[in-house]
Amino acid sequence: DQQVKQNSPSLSVQEGRISILNCDYTNSMFDYFLWYKKYPAEGPTFLISISSIKDKNEDGRFTVFLNKSAKHLSLHIVPSQPGDSAVYFCAASPGVGGGSEKLVFGKGTKLTVNP
Amino acid sequence: DTEVTQTPKHLVMGMTNKKSLKCEQHMGHRAMYWYKQKAKKPPELMFVYSYEKLSINESVPSRFSPECPNSSLLNLHLHALQPEDSALYLCASSLPGGDTQYFGPGTRLTVL
Repeated sequence: DQQVKQNSPSLSVQEGRISILNCDYTNSMFDYFLWYKKYPAEGPTFLISISSIKDKNEDGRFTVFLNKSAKHLSLHIVPSQPGDSAVYFCAASPGVGGGSEKLVFGKGTKLTVNP
Repeated sequence: DTEVTQTPKHLVMGMTNKKSLKCEQHMGHRAMYWYKQKAKKPPELMFVYSYEKLSINESVPSRFSPECPNSSLLNLHLHALQPEDSALYLCASSLPGGDTQYFGPGTRLTVL
């Protein structure tokens, strides 16, 4: 039972354009969501997070949007750069103080930004 | 500073060998994690230590033995591994109770 789903295994965009990566979840107890970026043979790098009390969080070129009613979140990268090419994982947890240190990961979306 | 370090970067071992993976963080985090990641898959949780005590063991075979000597260090002792245990082993740390986890670069393990 996949509680966090990233339905697009890959995405290709042109440099300078917007990249939109999507993530859906099924567990209504999830309360804290994170995006990680991963290059091959390296550990995931934390990018940005959002808690359920917000619907948007922005950090430089990266913005995460959360739609709780739809159980959907998305990561926007504007403008996209070739160095953004990596696998992006969406992850969810019951949140701080939720008693769980278990992050549930999606399967990842491979982003390719073409020069 | 959000750095988690792991050694070695690469490890090749035979099925009868005993080896250890090491992880260190100096962020004052009191929760530390071991994950296993196979190619094209998400990280898979193995163990969680909270305040130096093992709090989660995801039914990992006993050939993997974690150890948390102090709040900054986490080891994973390996013995009698199988070729299917070859993977990237990731360490992470966070504040306890559920929070952003920061990952190390991983150890690429190959079991022959």
